[in-house]
Amino acid sequence: DQQVKQNSPSLSVQEGRISILNCDYTNSMFDYFLWYKKYPAEGPTFLISISSIKDKNEDGRFTVFLNKSAKHLSLHIVPSQPGDSAVYFCAARGNNAGNNRKLIWGLGTSLAVNP
Amino acid sequence: NAGVTQTPKFQVLKTGQSMTLQCAQDMNHNSMYWYRQDPGMGLRLIYYSASEGTTDKGEVPNGYNVSRLNKREFSLRLESAAPSQTSVYFCASSEAGRRLEQYFGPGTRLTVT
Repeated sequence: DQQVKQNSPSLSVQEGRISILNCDYTNSMFDYFLWYKKYPAEGPTFLISISSIKDKNEDGRFTVFLNKSAKHLSLHIVPSQPGDSAVYFCAARGNNAGNNRKLIWGLGTSLAVNP
Repeated sequence: NAGVTQTPKFQVLKTGQSMTLQCAQDMNHNSMYWYRQDPGMGLRLIYYSASEGTTDKGEVPNGYNVSRLNKREFSLRLESAAPSQTSVYFCASSEAGRRLEQYFGPGTRLTVT
């Protein structure tokens, strides 16, 4: 059973517009969330993260919003660029016991930014 | 810094053959991980090593063994490859402390016929 869900397998956006990628989770014990970007034939690269004590984190064109009551987070990319075309993965720390560093991953959303 | 390196990039095995996937990181990270990625399945953790000298099973450890050779290197061994192990394998590492982000290698594409 997927504990981290990315319900949209794909998303298409026009260059310059906003891209919004969504992620839902089921376990209220998750306390840290990350977004990764993956190009074909490469490993995932870290984009941005957010702790459960915050509801927003911003880094340049990328902003992550966390809604704990809805168990939902979203990644906003503004403005979207063709180079942002990639698969985006949402991940969460499985539990906050001890020094657990394992992540639980969503299945990814493929973003296409059209020129 | 090379970051996380993996060898080989590609490999084709026959059923029953064995091989070792190599991973090394030069970021002085404590923790290292092996994942596999299959179409429609996302990233699944095979084994991880929280620190040098320790290894633990992840979500899908059957058919694999690992060795944390030293702080830099973490290898994954397939003793008797099966077609179900055809996948892309990623190694990752993360530092100790509050930051949880993992840094990934470029992957090994393995085909078992």
